[in-house]
Amino acid sequence: GQQLNQSPQSMFIQEGEDVSMNCTSSSIFNTWLWYKQEPGEGPVLLIALYKAGELTSNGRLTAQFGITRKDSFLNISASIPSDVGIYFCAGHRRTSGTYKYIFGTGTRLKVLA
Amino acid sequence: GAGVSQSPSNKVTEKGKDVELRCDPISGHTALYWYRQSLGQGLEFLIYFQGNSAPDKSGLPSDRFSAERTGGSVSTLTIQRTQQEDSAVYLCASSLSRGGQETQYFGPGTRLLVL
Repeated sequence: GQQLNQSPQSMFIQEGEDVSMNCTSSSIFNTWLWYKQEPGEGPVLLIALYKAGELTSNGRLTAQFGITRKDSFLNISASIPSDVGIYFCAGHRRTSGTYKYIFGTGTRLKVLA
Repeated sequence: GAGVSQSPSNKVTEKGKDVELRCDPISGHTALYWYRQSLGQGLEFLIYFQGNSAPDKSGLPSDRFSAERTGGSVSTLTIQRTQQEDSAVYLCASSLSRGGQETQYFGPGTRLLVL
């Protein structure tokens, strides 16, 4: 199925460092969502973005909805070991009369203490 | 409950058997989605229910896969004559659109292993 381009695929960082990841698409979306998934769990919603240019924070997380509506980024500041997991972006739009979410391929984050 | 729940959490079955996976969405959420996630991979859309509308089945990989949503709430995903390549985590999500703002919440998933 269709997936968004998400980068980087994986990151190994030191505790305390900042992290940045992004998603790009050839299509316009009305909503961007960012999720975190830990082993053995379902994805957990981190941030939802609904307007082009919107910048939203949730604690140490900040995400932005790109002006072109074709991209989004997620930043994590001052990473800690519990930030480990896989981060997915998802774009949402109406397609052929139905609403669909298209997911990124995921960014695997490992934090070294 | 407060979130999306799925059962069973784990299922081991033999090749050729049928399996049923259940999803209880968040109360009041009108939309329900099923996804499949293979080991180390992203999410693959399977099927989408919205209110009383006909479901979008465009993601179902074969006619062995089917899903129902009864009474606009609980959903069951059925896989007939399971194959080893069906082994994956099956995730359910529900969503509610408020003023054009759509947010999707996931359940914990059912881990299916076909031997």
